Formats: sequence, C-alpha cells, structure tokens
Amino acid sequence: EVQLVESGGGLVQPGGSLRLSCAASGFTFSSYWMSWVRQAPGKGLEWVANIKQDGSEKYYVDSVKGRFTISRDNAKNSLYLQMNSLRAEDTAVYYCARIRWGLDAFDIWGQGTMVTVSS
Amino acid sequence: EIVLTQSPDFQSVTPKEKVTITCRASQSIGSSLHWYQQKPDQSPKLLIKYASQSFSGVPSRFSGSGSGTDFTLTINSLEAEDAATYYCHQSSSLPHTFGQGTKLEIK
Repeated sequence: EVQLVESGGGLVQPGGSLRLSCAASGFTFSSYWMSWVRQAPGKGLEWVANIKQDGSEKYYVDSVKGRFTISRDNAKNSLYLQMNSLRAEDTAVYYCARIRWGLDAFDIWGQGTMVTVSS
Repeated sequence: EIVLTQSPDFQSVTPKEKVTITCRASQSIGSSLHWYQQKPDQSPKLLIKYASQSFSGVPSRFSGSGSGTDFTLTINSLEAEDAATYYCHQSSSLPHTFGQGTKLEIK
C-alpha cells in the first residue's frame, strides 16, 4: 500500500524551530519529487516546498524562504522539513505529498501533522 | 502568482442532484488544473488531474472539463458520501496555488 506518514509536529514558541519528517512506503521513493503543503486551521491549502528526486532542486513559497529547508534521505525513504524562526502564521497542519515532477498534481497525501506556534 | 477563484463557496444539495463547481484562473494555465476532495478531519484526495483525467479509483460520477482560464468539476448523481470541501489547484507555474475551496453540504 502506498503510504506517507508525517511526524514531528507540536507546540513551539514564536522564533523557535521544529523538524518534520515524512516516512514513505509502498513505492519507489527515489523516483518521485516530493512536496510539503500546509493548511491553517479552518483555512485552505497552501503549497510550501518541493524537492527533486536527488535533492538537487528545491523550491519554496516566498513566505518561508530563508526560514524553512526541505530535504530528503532516499536511503531511508524519508522527507524532511526543517522550520526555523517560526511565526504564529505558520500554525497549520503540514502534509507531505507525492508529485511526479515539479509541476504536477499531488497524487498521494499523508495524514498530516499539526504545528502550533504560540507563546 | 496565479490566483484561482472557485464558485460557489458553499452549496447545499440533495442526493442524486448534479453539482457543478467552477474554478477560474487569473491567467491561462492550459490544462494544468487539478481537483481534490477533502472530507472533515481527513487529508485531501486527488480526484481529477490535468482538467479532465480521472485519478485511479475515483468514482465515475466525478468528471472535469475546461482549459485556459475556466474549469469545471461536475458530480453526477450526488451521493451522501460526497459531502466535503473541493479544491482546485494549478501546477502551470510556481508557486503552486489552490482555490479557496467549495464546501458541499448534503441536505
């Protein structure tokens, strides 16, 4: 079964850091681009970042550039999102999603992990 | 950034009814438009990719059409399990963007 499972969410103070992980199974992880998409409570979906199969290309939404870093470990079938300098507006459920190439549909989604930035 | 505008924002419908949701892009995106269904407390699920291609396992009552700037998601013979919020998404250029969502309530 194709599956994505996120972890690492929690409560963090403004200015703090958090690292999210996404474990992939049931498909050849190294053959796919991967993405992070977030959803603030009661709001719509917002794309956060993309990473190419070998990690050589990374793209971010402007609001997280310089603060968030997407990475992957193909040997561990894992995707990561390092989030620094967190702000209240980063509060959201963070989903990892599979994508065949950088400009494609998100065909498989994880269940999400909640990040709350609050003092 | 390409802005996607969905209409309506909310619709209350009865089972077996035909539903149409539209998505308009702020500039031409060819057929790089995708539709997702999100039920309460669940992650989004891909329904339609590239405007009209049904994703694997999606019931045949869901269909999509359009190109350029105007797109439509149609649900034929609505079922109670279709109560959800539906989002369009463009992948023509970065950043990926989504419509604001259309919430379907089943009467």
